[in-house]
Amino acid sequence: EVQLVQSGAEVKKPGESLKISCKGSGYTFSTYWIGWVRQMPGKGLEWMGIIYPGDSDTRYSPSFQGQVTISADKSISTAYLQWSSLKASDTAMYYCARHLKGGSSFSPFDCWGQGTLVTVSS
Amino acid sequence: DIQMTQSPSSLSASVGDRVTITCRASQSISTYLNWYQQKPGKAPNLLIFDASSLQSGVPSRFSGSGSGTDFTLTISSLQPEDFATYYCQQSYSTPYTFGQGSKLEI
Repeated sequence: EVQLVQSGAEVKKPGESLKISCKGSGYTFSTYWIGWVRQMPGKGLEWMGIIYPGDSDTRYSPSFQGQVTISADKSISTAYLQWSSLKASDTAMYYCARHLKGGSSFSPFDCWGQGTLVTVSS
Repeated sequence: DIQMTQSPSSLSASVGDRVTITCRASQSISTYLNWYQQKPGKAPNLLIFDASSLQSGVPSRFSGSGSGTDFTLTISSLQPEDFATYYCQQSYSTPYTFGQGSKLEI
């Protein structure tokens, strides 16, 4: 069974750093693009960026470029989303998701993690 | 970026109704259009990909159509479990933008 399991909820202060994770199982992790999606409280879905774990090729939305870093460690089938300095406006649910077609990002997200709630508050 | 605009943003319907949600892209995206369903507190769930392909395990009352810039999601006969928010997404060019969502209420 294809599965993505995300790390647990986080409560941080503005200015702090954070790295959340997404561990894949049930498939060859290195050959499927993985993406991150933000959902602010009561709002819609926002595409943040994607990574191909096989070679760490990464694409960012202009809205998130420079604000976050997406990375992956294929040896442990885990993708990451990190912030160097959190803001209150980063408070949101963050989902990782896998692209349907191996080797191609021109496909939907077919498997989603359970989400990681990040709360940033002083 | 390609902008995705859904309509309506919200709608009320009854069990058994036929419902259609539309999604318009700001430029042609061929058939690189996906539909997701999201229920409160849950991750989105893929319903339709490539504009009209039904994802495995999704009931056949869901269907999609369209190409270029205009797309539709149709639910042929609403069931109680279909009341949720629906999002379209283009996977033609990055960033793979989502529509703003359409909330389907009883």
